[in-house]
Amino acid sequence: KQEVTQIPAALSVPEGENLVLNCSFTDSAIYNLQWFRQDPGKGLTSLLLIQSSQREQTSGRLNASLDKSSGRSTLYIAASQPGDSATYLCAVMTGANSKLTFGKGITLSVRP
Amino acid sequence: EPEVTQTPSHQVTQMGQEVILRCVPISNHLYFYWYRQILGQKVEFLVSFYNNEISEKSEIFDDQFSVERPDGSNFTLKIRSTKLEDSAMYFCASSEALGWGANVLTFGAGSRLTVL
Repeated sequence: KQEVTQIPAALSVPEGENLVLNCSFTDSAIYNLQWFRQDPGKGLTSLLLIQSSQREQTSGRLNASLDKSSGRSTLYIAASQPGDSATYLCAVMTGANSKLTFGKGITLSVRP
Repeated sequence: EPEVTQTPSHQVTQMGQEVILRCVPISNHLYFYWYRQILGQKVEFLVSFYNNEISEKSEIFDDQFSVERPDGSNFTLKIRSTKLEDSAMYFCASSEALGWGANVLTFGAGSRLTVL
């Protein structure tokens, strides 16, 4: 059974800092890995998708990497801003029915 | 940008009552999903749906739950007799394709269900 872990559960950094969020998964047989952002009480916004054959994807200040063999992904956020404060969820897609298995998320707080 | 629309945004119900949560997926998407998130917990898969039938369901999705695509645009989740533990945020999602690497699920904003 696929398990996704995100540690730590919470992170607080000063504005401007570069930071890395980690995600690990137990079964490397994935189709892709996705990073989502969730604001309090809100829905899930897709940030980046890395296909299983890819190593990384970039969007603006965000860069996500994937090491499928070791079951790890990182989300790098450059020059963090208070508006980046949210919970960041990692999810892996497995199986013929595109089921996503989520981590519990990392709640990021960027202090002005 | 196309989006998945969910109604209601918040519903409060009494234990034992039936609840129907509604979703309008993106119009050209063929695959539909329900996920839920109990407060403070992980987002959990409930069910996937394609071609008017369930393609996969989790152990959470027991006989109290059902899904339906009653017309060409809506996708519904019904809970027949709600329990306290059904209180959660329910997310609908849709996608164009199934089971390949570039498949992106687009999620709705969620329906918060509170069972008293």
